[in-house]
Amino acid sequence: GQNIDQPTEMTATEGAIVQINCTYQTSGFNGLFWYQQHAGEAPTFLSYNVLDGLEEKGRFSSFLSRSKGYSYLLLKELQMKDSASYLCAVRDSNYQLIWGAGTKLIIKP
Amino acid sequence: GAVVSQHPSWVICKSGTSVKIECRSLDFQATTMFWYRQFPKQSLMLMATSNEGSKATYEQGVEKDKFLINHASLTLSTLTVTSAHPEDSSFYICSASNGGSSSGANVLTFGAGSRLTVL
Repeated sequence: GQNIDQPTEMTATEGAIVQINCTYQTSGFNGLFWYQQHAGEAPTFLSYNVLDGLEEKGRFSSFLSRSKGYSYLLLKELQMKDSASYLCAVRDSNYQLIWGAGTKLIIKP
Repeated sequence: GAVVSQHPSWVICKSGTSVKIECRSLDFQATTMFWYRQFPKQSLMLMATSNEGSKATYEQGVEKDKFLINHASLTLSTLTVTSAHPEDSSFYICSASNGGSSSGANVLTFGAGSRLTVL
């Protein structure tokens, strides 16, 4: 079966750095997405990786290793507004999105 | 950027009634829209893929007669929850893609979601 694993919850301190990991086992691979979802709101797009390596976008970076079925989202200079759930999703060989359960990130002052 | 409008944002209804949720792509045409359901503290669950001008494709376990989907135009898809029951209470979210980008990402843009509470 297809599976996306990410930690359920993480806690970090304002101003610090946090890394949210995502491992996947899917039938084929056509890209990996990270979305941010604040409580009670819809997800918003953060990043997309299809080739191995690091994609940097401001305070957020996303890394992909296809051989390891692994990605991480790196958040720097954490702000209180970064408190949210972070969803990892993989597009499989049928171009279907497989979603992880999300990682709830709690930022403490 | 691409904008998807979803309405209503929240609705409360009595058990046995039907509720319609609308999803509109405001500045692009969407031949395909997706309907998700999300229970508290759980991930997004794809319910169905809505195709303009044809029947929707439902995921396994989703009752097509209970969750009616109509995609009558390139900018509008509707989800009707028929004969709603308390167990149908959930957060329903639609999404659409504006056809991709130079990176090939084909990013989904989500509506704001509709929180349904069935009494």
